[in-house]
Amino acid sequence: QSVLTQPPSVSAAPGQKVTISCSGSSSNIGDKYVSWYQQFPGTAPKLLIYDNNKRPSGIPDRFSGSKSDTSATLGITGLQTGDEADYYCGTWDTSLSAGVFGTGTKVTVL
Amino acid sequence: QLQLQESGPGLVKPSDTLSLTCTVSGGSISISGYCWAWIRQPAGKGLEWIAIICHNGMTYFNPSVKSRVTISADTSNNQFSLRLTSVTAADTAVYYCARHVSYSDWIDPWGQGTLVTVSS
Repeated sequence: QSVLTQPPSVSAAPGQKVTISCSGSSSNIGDKYVSWYQQFPGTAPKLLIYDNNKRPSGIPDRFSGSKSDTSATLGITGLQTGDEADYYCGTWDTSLSAGVFGTGTKVTVL
Repeated sequence: QLQLQESGPGLVKPSDTLSLTCTVSGGSISISGYCWAWIRQPAGKGLEWIAIICHNGMTYFNPSVKSRVTISADTSNNQFSLRLTSVTAADTAVYYCARHVSYSDWIDPWGQGTLVTVSS
């Protein structure tokens, strides 16, 4: 059972925007940086956002991250069919002294 | 470019010990500021963080598996390893090794993953 909660799925038409929430607590998101990962079926997760809102080289600016208190949000604008994937948030939990991931969200392009 | 590759048996019997090794190329596992992680994903389910070993030898574990897990590093071969004892079918998963950046806890890059099935 994950300590970070995400919606199971979100969907939108091509070109539209989706947001994915990641809800935690004061011992994880409230106190630590959040990262986001994109995972296509049968492949390893890929870093999408780190330090709450920074994009690694090669990640388009259609992807954005934000954090407020004990929640974080991933935004995807200009949605493309190639964005259909599972998305996970991640951070550190100071109470557990362990890394934690969100429950995961499947993005569907209608 | 840093690359990680998991290796180990794909089939383990119930109650036996699962052992995996991650070979790191393109960079040293001894570099300050980095830890080295094991993460798993059962089929159709989410990611589960298992453990990390840091450049200074510090280790951290997921409380749910802490009593069964050992993580170690072999700096001479630039490898780190996972041992999970008393496995059950619930430990069947794709196991990933990855680099964990310690100052802000993001994980990158990841290995391609290796499927470990627990079955008699």
